[in-house]
Amino acid sequence: AQTVTQSQPEMSVQEAETVTLSCTYDTSENNYYLFWYKQPPSRQMILVIRQEAYKQQNATENRFSVNFQKAAKSFSLKISDSQLGDTAMYFCAFMWNNQGGKLIFGQGTELSVKP
Amino acid sequence: EPEVTQTPSHQVTQMGQEVILRCVPISNHLYFYWYRQILGQKVEFLVSFYNNEISEKSEIFDDQFSVERPDGSNFTLKIRSTKLEDSAMYFCASLGQAKDEQYFGPGTRLTVT
Repeated sequence: AQTVTQSQPEMSVQEAETVTLSCTYDTSENNYYLFWYKQPPSRQMILVIRQEAYKQQNATENRFSVNFQKAAKSFSLKISDSQLGDTAMYFCAFMWNNQGGKLIFGQGTELSVKP
Repeated sequence: EPEVTQTPSHQVTQMGQEVILRCVPISNHLYFYWYRQILGQKVEFLVSFYNNEISEKSEIFDDQFSVERPDGSNFTLKIRSTKLEDSAMYFCASLGQAKDEQYFGPGTRLTVT
């Protein structure tokens, strides 16, 4: 069975600084997707970034980028130039590419951006 | 841009009552999901639905739960006899045509008293 682990329950960063959130996962599958979701206090689930396992190139979305290490089963999120609006819970998630597979989430990391 | 909608946004019910949570997935999506998030915890998969039947369900999804797509647009989650521990945020999601991203609704906060 697939599992997702986020070992940092809480993190904080100063505004404009860079922060990295860690995520590891376990799977025997070769074809899958990895995601980072942001959950602000409204509790809406907002997709931040997506990575296809077959792509070696790390995904980037503006200030957000990932470090995907397939062999190590590691998928960290880097937030550059942190903004106050980045304060939220961040969840790492795995989805097997099996035509409709479920999302498996990690426990979450609560990020606080301090002015 | 199309989005997944959910109603109600907040439902308060008494223990033992039946509740129905409603979702309208994005119209050309084929796979639908329900997830649950107890306050302060991670998001947990409940059930997936495809071609008018359940394709997968978790251990949480016991006989008290059921899902239905009654009219080709709505996708509902019914809890027959609610318990205090059913208090949570319930998210509906649908899988995009490229099958590489699930789109989440805003959630329904269920409070069982």
